[in-house]
Amino acid sequence: QVQLVQSGAEVKKPGASVKVSCKASGYTFTGYYIHWVRQAPGQGLEWMGRVNPNSGDRKYAQKFQGKVTMTRDTSITTAYMELSRLRSDDTAVYYCARGPDSSSSMDVWGQGTTVTVSS
Amino acid sequence: DIQMTQSPSTLSASVGDRVTITCRASQSISSWLAWYQQKPGKAPKLLIYKASSLISGVPSRFSGTESGTEFTLTISSLQPDDFATYYCQQYGSSSVTFGGGTKVEIK
Repeated sequence: QVQLVQSGAEVKKPGASVKVSCKASGYTFTGYYIHWVRQAPGQGLEWMGRVNPNSGDRKYAQKFQGKVTMTRDTSITTAYMELSRLRSDDTAVYYCARGPDSSSSMDVWGQGTTVTVSS
Repeated sequence: DIQMTQSPSTLSASVGDRVTITCRASQSISSWLAWYQQKPGKAPKLLIYKASSLISGVPSRFSGTESGTEFTLTISSLQPDDFATYYCQQYGSSSVTFGGGTKVEIK
């Protein structure tokens, strides 16, 4: 079945970086964009950006420019989201999600990865 | 970026009630709007795309309508499984944005 499986929870210190993976299966990886969305504790959904697994083209939300890097490895059908210079307000659940276009709805979601930033 | 104003933020209702949630876009997004349901500790689930197209398998009590830049999600008869938080999402521009969410609680 179509699914996205994310890497496990992370605990990081302020100033560090974190890299979250998103393994796709059950569909043609290069046929859909991978979006990244985060949700801080008790808060709403926030779109961070997306990567085109076919071309590697990326677009980031303005807020995350210079802080996030989205990549992919087509040989293992996996997308990655790396967040740098972590602060306590980066503590959140990070989701990857599939979309048919660069700007689209998202029909399949990963289970989420909790990133906790604490000294 | 296009702003999505969602209301109400919280809604108390009973099983069987008709429930309406509204999202207003700060500018035209054509029909490029989706609705999601999220339950605690779970990923969002896509219910409706392109303002009114129901995802296969989603109960027909869910429906979406649009009028200009105002979009509405209606649950015709609230069921116990529908108590959750709902989000709208616009994709009418190159940057996606979500509404602030509506928590549907048991009255």
